[in-house]
Amino acid sequence: ETGVTQSPTHLIKTRGQQVTLRCSSQSGHNTVSWYQQALGQGPQFIFQYYREEENGRGNFPPRFSGLQFPNYSSELNVNALELDDSALYLCASSFWQADNEQFFGPGTRLTVL
Amino acid sequence: AQTVTQSQPEMSVQEAETVTLSCTYDTSENNYYLFWYKQPPSRQMILVIRQEAYKQQNATENRFSVNFQKAAKSFSLKISDSQLGDTAMYFCAFGRSNSGYALNFGKGTSLLVTP
Repeated sequence: ETGVTQSPTHLIKTRGQQVTLRCSSQSGHNTVSWYQQALGQGPQFIFQYYREEENGRGNFPPRFSGLQFPNYSSELNVNALELDDSALYLCASSFWQADNEQFFGPGTRLTVL
Repeated sequence: AQTVTQSQPEMSVQEAETVTLSCTYDTSENNYYLFWYKQPPSRQMILVIRQEAYKQQNATENRFSVNFQKAAKSFSLKISDSQLGDTAMYFCAFGRSNSGYALNFGKGTSLLVTP
């Protein structure tokens, strides 16, 4: 069984640029959630994808967008990067059912200069 | 909206001792799940223990157990026989039932286990 993987591990961008982060879900999982974890904070929910459709969104602006592909992998896109977007971005996969158990990837550390 | 509060930013415990991490939450829902996640330094987040709100019996996983007080909206984690490998950030999280919806996390408690 393959776990959740994310790429790249680290990324440095400048303010105003655009970035794409990628996530491969755990085998058998059909739901992907993205979280932003600022330094010293708990993860904050960005959005979730189920069957290629956005299924719930946290308090993040529209410049945060995503995709889910038929193989259930996912992308997080952030446009017009701001300094405050610097954070660890976590992807979590799960199987759409009642238990809500989510399995996390190692994260992508994004630094915006 | 559900909020999760962890009032202990940092804690320290000696190896082999017992430590309890606190968590309170606020929700108007009746069916939900509560979780404790562990995030070791520079390593990925892993699930420690899970509690379904409809179950009165407290969950236990080896050295980890919870004290779930639904009326008080309290969900504390007890780590027995602490080990050096338990050093990590511990996050309490709330999840709604019957959906794949978001987890609401607390700000975390940094636990240091000392020799």
